[in-house]
Amino acid sequence: DVKVTQSSRYLVKRTGEKVFLECVQDMDHENMFWYRQDPGLGLRLIYFSYDVKMKEKGDIPEGYSVSREKKERFSLILESASTNQTSMYLCASSPGEPDTEAFFGQGTRLTVV
Amino acid sequence: RKEVEQDPGPFNVPEGATVAFNCTYSNSASQSFFWYRQDCRKEPKLLMSVYSSGNEDGRFTAQLNRASQYISLLIRDSKLSDSATYLCVFESGGSQGNLIFGKGTKLSVKP
Repeated sequence: DVKVTQSSRYLVKRTGEKVFLECVQDMDHENMFWYRQDPGLGLRLIYFSYDVKMKEKGDIPEGYSVSREKKERFSLILESASTNQTSMYLCASSPGEPDTEAFFGQGTRLTVV
Repeated sequence: RKEVEQDPGPFNVPEGATVAFNCTYSNSASQSFFWYRQDCRKEPKLLMSVYSSGNEDGRFTAQLNRASQYISLLIRDSKLSDSATYLCVFESGGSQGNLIFGKGTKLSVKP
């Protein structure tokens, strides 16, 4: 059974803090994604990685960075958290072949105060 | 034109009704298309892939129209358990496996 695990379900951080969101997948998937989901805006891609140490900016990369040092782990970093980064963050992974399913983690609800 | 546009909903339908959602995409190089389902406070999960010839899974039928660049999802004989948000998804033609999501259409099936 494919599993994508996000390190926290709920996080509360202060403005200006450096925040790490961790995501681990156990299916040897090539691709990993970070999205944020906000009411009325849907899922928006922050960053995408198709291989270890490879990354591509998504639609809204500003204020975020990512790290993929190992295939199974994809970290999202908020260098200096701001209140407009309060959101639901969803990590996903997929094999990277056409027509294959992406699997999501359970999400991290981040509140920046 | 936005990369993907989806019927905003919400769709409120009685049990047993047939309901259809559409989703248009702008990237003609896209090769893979999907419908995902997201329950309240849960992560999205794959409902079905969408193939060029159209495909059916029980009460659900998905279709792809490449000429007009849209996909559709038809749900027949709606059940209460079909209440969820339905997301259309396509693979961006540029990057390897980059997935673009629509904003989702909320469906509520009432008794």
